[in-house]
Amino acid sequence: DAEITQSPRHKITETGRQVTLACHQTWNHNNMFWYRQDLGHGLRLIHYSYGVHDTNKGEVSDGYSVSRSNTEDLPLTLESAASSQTSVYFCASSPLYTGELFFGEGSRLTVL
Amino acid sequence: RKEVEQDPGPFNVPEGATVAFNCTYSNSASQSFFWYRQDCRKEPKLLMSVYSSGNEDGRFTAQLNRASQYISLLIRDSKLSDSATYLCVSSLVGSALIFGKGTTLSVSS
Repeated sequence: DAEITQSPRHKITETGRQVTLACHQTWNHNNMFWYRQDLGHGLRLIHYSYGVHDTNKGEVSDGYSVSRSNTEDLPLTLESAASSQTSVYFCASSPLYTGELFFGEGSRLTVL
Repeated sequence: RKEVEQDPGPFNVPEGATVAFNCTYSNSASQSFFWYRQDCRKEPKLLMSVYSSGNEDGRFTAQLNRASQYISLLIRDSKLSDSATYLCVSSLVGSALIFGKGTTLSVSS
C-alpha cells in the first residue's frame, strides 16, 4: 500500500545543531507540505512544494528550509535548532489540489 | 487575526447528544473548506468537505455560509468514538490548506 512516512519519529537535540526531518511518500503525489503543531496554536504551515524543484514559504518558515529533488521526498531542515522549535512536525501530501491531505504520523522534536 | 478561528472547547456531551461546532474564516476569497478529525497524538484525517449547498455524511452535516464567512459541523447521536479534536480548514484556490486550532469533543457514557 502507498504511504507517507516520517523519520525520525522522536528526536532530542541541542540548541544550535542542524536537524533534518525526513518525509517520504509512495503515492507519487505532486504536492507536499510541512506543518508544525503546538498547544494553543494548532497546525501551522512551514513550507510546501507543488512539484520537483518547487518550494514555497508558509506561515512560520523562519529557521526552516526544504528542498524537493524528487517527487517522493521533502526533507525539512532546521539550520540551527532553537528551543522555540520544539514541536510535533507533520508532513503531508496530496495528488493535486483536492483538499485531502494525507499526513504522516508526525515527528516529535525536542530542542534542549 | 488568525485566518481560521474556532471555539477550542472542550465540548463535553453525553452519548446520543447532538453537538455543533462553528468556525469563521477571515479571507473572503477562500474557496474551499473542510473538516478534519484528529485523535489524540495522531495525524489529522479528512472528515468531510464543506459545500455551499451543505452536505451530509451519515450523522455528520456540514454547512457553509459565505456571506457570514462561517462554517459549521453538526454531529447527531454522538458516539464515544466521536471523541476527538475537529479542525476547520480553508484555502484559496491553488493554495495550501490553513487549519484552525481545533475544537475538542469529549463524548461520555
